[in-house]
Amino acid sequence: ETAVFQTPNYHVTQVGNEVSFNCKQTLGHDTMYWYKQDSKKLLKIMFSYNNKQLIVNETVPRRFSPQSSDKAHLNLRIKSVEPEDSAVYLCASSFDWGDTQYFGPGTRLLVL
Amino acid sequence: GQQVQQSPASLVLQEGENAELQCNFSTSLNSMQWFYQRPGGSLVSLFYNPSGTKHSGRLTSTTVIKERRSSLHISSSQTTDSGTYLCALEHNYAQGLTFGLGTRVSVFP
Repeated sequence: ETAVFQTPNYHVTQVGNEVSFNCKQTLGHDTMYWYKQDSKKLLKIMFSYNNKQLIVNETVPRRFSPQSSDKAHLNLRIKSVEPEDSAVYLCASSFDWGDTQYFGPGTRLLVL
Repeated sequence: GQQVQQSPASLVLQEGENAELQCNFSTSLNSMQWFYQRPGGSLVSLFYNPSGTKHSGRLTSTTVIKERRSSLHISSSQTTDSGTYLCALEHNYAQGLTFGLGTRVSVFP
């Protein structure tokens, strides 16, 4: 049963454009995450966030930023996309840091 | 180097065979999870298992912290078990999960 929702499923854009991906969880969790899965299928953490703190992976370029309106939503904005941003972006949530994480279906981004 | 190493990289099974997937890690851990990734890409949580042994149907996960390893045992494999199995650990509080590259399992009838 899906409880972490992501939109869109797929997005194609051109270099330099701004994009925004949505993530919503209905599990009542306090903590949400964004991961990037590259062409080699390696998943890497980008952001961890709850109402106490935002943790940013130091390797994430500044053009990426998370945006949260409430604890059930954590969107991802990319200010000016570059070709290397082509990947699958996966959102996840957990009750608290260190608890079981549940993942959404992912958003596939293709930058032309 | 890679903090989470999974082996084998790929595995071919005939339906009914058992399999053991390994995950070795080079750091301390705060939490450990095993996931199944469907060919379409979505991740399904199989186990949250930072220590000890857990069972779920035909799957068993065992994590031995002092040996820095975790294993996933599949018994009586079925064709529907085909996919990629990922282990992931959180080695520092609030840092998110660090994933291995996965073991790609193919089960044939």
